[in-house]
Amino acid sequence: DAKTTQPPSMDCAEGRAANLPCNHSTISGNEYVYWYRQIHSQGPQYIIHGLKNNETNEMASLIITEDRKSSTLILPHATLRDTAVYYCIVKDSGAGSYQLTFGKGTKLSVIP
Amino acid sequence: SQTIHQWPATLVQPVGSPLSLECTVEGTSNPNLYWYRQAAGRGLQLLFYSVGIGQISSEVPQNLSASRPQDRQFILSSKKLLLSDSGFYLCAWNTGPLEQYFGPGTRLTVT
Repeated sequence: DAKTTQPPSMDCAEGRAANLPCNHSTISGNEYVYWYRQIHSQGPQYIIHGLKNNETNEMASLIITEDRKSSTLILPHATLRDTAVYYCIVKDSGAGSYQLTFGKGTKLSVIP
Repeated sequence: SQTIHQWPATLVQPVGSPLSLECTVEGTSNPNLYWYRQAAGRGLQLLFYSVGIGQISSEVPQNLSASRPQDRQFILSSKKLLLSDSGFYLCAWNTGPLEQYFGPGTRLTVT
């Protein structure tokens, strides 16, 4: 699976959009981009995933560049409950591909 | 809807004692099941995964073992705990190679 690079930490004002970047320059054509988050002392929570097109769900939007070498997770109106470590993971969907490799992620602090 | 349970939520055990952590999933059939560990201040490490009853794959040599006696039950065990076994143990499931859903975790402290 391709490696990802994320900033170690970010701050965001409550109510503003939080834009979390991720670089994955070695991504291959069959690899998806996944985002998870982990609130302190809880298990990771799946947020969203995408392959080529931008994706949106009730939690967030995922913007993937045309060359697929980077992506941005957008939380449109950050709340204090969005304070967490956010993980960007690149993984293929092939048979036998089961492992999620979590890096260090980005610690997002939402500030009142 | 699907839910995943883990117990106990917290556990304090002496070195050399046995361990048994249980994970169950409701609302789905034939899930893939996973055990992860997160040491203090570190990332998640996949320990075991299972694609069916009695089928266990180990990712990292450990003082731990896993079993899957029923379709939606996954157990993590140890015969003798080490100090280095302390950590946050997470069970997860999915039904395909895409997103995984995690349980609430068990925080284990080995003293």
